Amino acid sequence: GAVVSQHPSWVICKSGTSVKIECRSLDFQATTMFWYRQFPKQSLMLMATSNEGSKATYEQGVEKDKFLINHASLTLSTLTVTSAHPEDSSFYICSADGTSGSAATDTQYFGPGTRLTVL
Amino acid sequence: GQNIDQPTEMTATEGAIVQINCTYQTSGFNGLFWYQQHAGEAPTFLSYNVLDGLEEKGRFSSFLSRSKGYSYLLLKELQMKDSASYLCAVTDYKLSFGAGTTVTVRA
Repeated sequence: GAVVSQHPSWVICKSGTSVKIECRSLDFQATTMFWYRQFPKQSLMLMATSNEGSKATYEQGVEKDKFLINHASLTLSTLTVTSAHPEDSSFYICSADGTSGSAATDTQYFGPGTRLTVL
Repeated sequence: GQNIDQPTEMTATEGAIVQINCTYQTSGFNGLFWYQQHAGEAPTFLSYNVLDGLEEKGRFSSFLSRSKGYSYLLLKELQMKDSASYLCAVTDYKLSFGAGTTVTVRA
């Protein structure tokens, strides 16, 4: 139980294009999902907190107009990197807060990550 | 603000014990997590401490002292597959991660 999936696993795109990454909780409902970014040999940095049915809360220094987050349902959050540039190349990881179903509360369950390469 | 410190690298021999320390100074505290992360993969949950003391789970144990802002992860009977990065993370609803400790297990 408590599985979080991400799609796609990896994506290569041209500079200037937009990329959408999906995060799904498969067997539990998540009112809150988190989006992280990890550059090589660095730790995870929280980008934003995504709440179902409301606007995302962005961390300081993260451009909300560049990283669009939509949490349309209790099992799906999407991150769209708009007008991607090479410096956006990174490993993007989502996590879902366990609130019901098979997930334990007070625990975040991580998706497998999406590796984005912008040429 | 959040300040979470852990050593950058540690090396140990197969079958040995390694202790990874983590100190933290955070504006809020609702528990401390340890995660394991292999290169190119997402973190996997190892342990969660919210009260002082030792939590044991098989070969892995985690300790927390809230008054000292200190935790450690103890890895026993090291195996080659334990070579990975170990992340200390403090939650006050949002997770704040340390930079991670890369553990290399040698035969």
